[in-house]
Amino acid sequence: EPEVTQTPSHQVTQMGQEVILRCVPISNHLYFYWYRQILGQKVEFLVSFYNNEISEKSEIFDDQFSVERPDGSNFTLKIRSTKLEDSAMYFCASSEPPFGDTQYFGPGTRLTVL
Amino acid sequence: SQQGEEDPQALSIQEGENATMNCSYKTSINNLQWYRQNSGRGLVHLILIRSNEREKHSGRLRVTLDTSKKSSSLLITASRAADTASYFCATASGYALNFGKGTSLLVTP
Repeated sequence: EPEVTQTPSHQVTQMGQEVILRCVPISNHLYFYWYRQILGQKVEFLVSFYNNEISEKSEIFDDQFSVERPDGSNFTLKIRSTKLEDSAMYFCASSEPPFGDTQYFGPGTRLTVL
Repeated sequence: SQQGEEDPQALSIQEGENATMNCSYKTSINNLQWYRQNSGRGLVHLILIRSNEREKHSGRLRVTLDTSKKSSSLLITASRAADTASYFCATASGYALNFGKGTSLLVTP
């Protein structure tokens, strides 16, 4: 069964450094998403991406965040200058049309900012 | 916010018993979804129920939706130790899914 994959599974970085989290969505899906979950808290929406542009973003997704689909398979989340509070589990998800329908999540990348 | 809120926060049952979790939300929705998350792992989609549906079944799962009360319930029948996980409802708001804080289910042998 097709699934969303994410790399790396765990990323440790120093405060102020840039990180890129990578995702390979399910191949025939058209909508892509990033969510995060701070330890012990609920899953929070960051951004959705469709047709090579951001379709929706939350207040969390400020200027330090960016997303890109550099080729036909990868979907990336870049955090430009990491802060301690960026430490969280980051989940990528993808879905077929229509938006709001079933989203399939990857296993997540645990980001630790020291 | 459209986000769902689950109740109870934690539930402990024995294998073979049924587990019922509830979810309430605040605004109109297109659909409501339930997800499971094992400790430290990703979210696994369980079931989606659309706003024009009242009940849906999938294996040992039964989901109901009452749009007049803005609530949903997830019933897991004949629970197993492997059902131990956190369960989240999520409502669709535009492109985003809005998750509640979840119900932590513990099934003991």
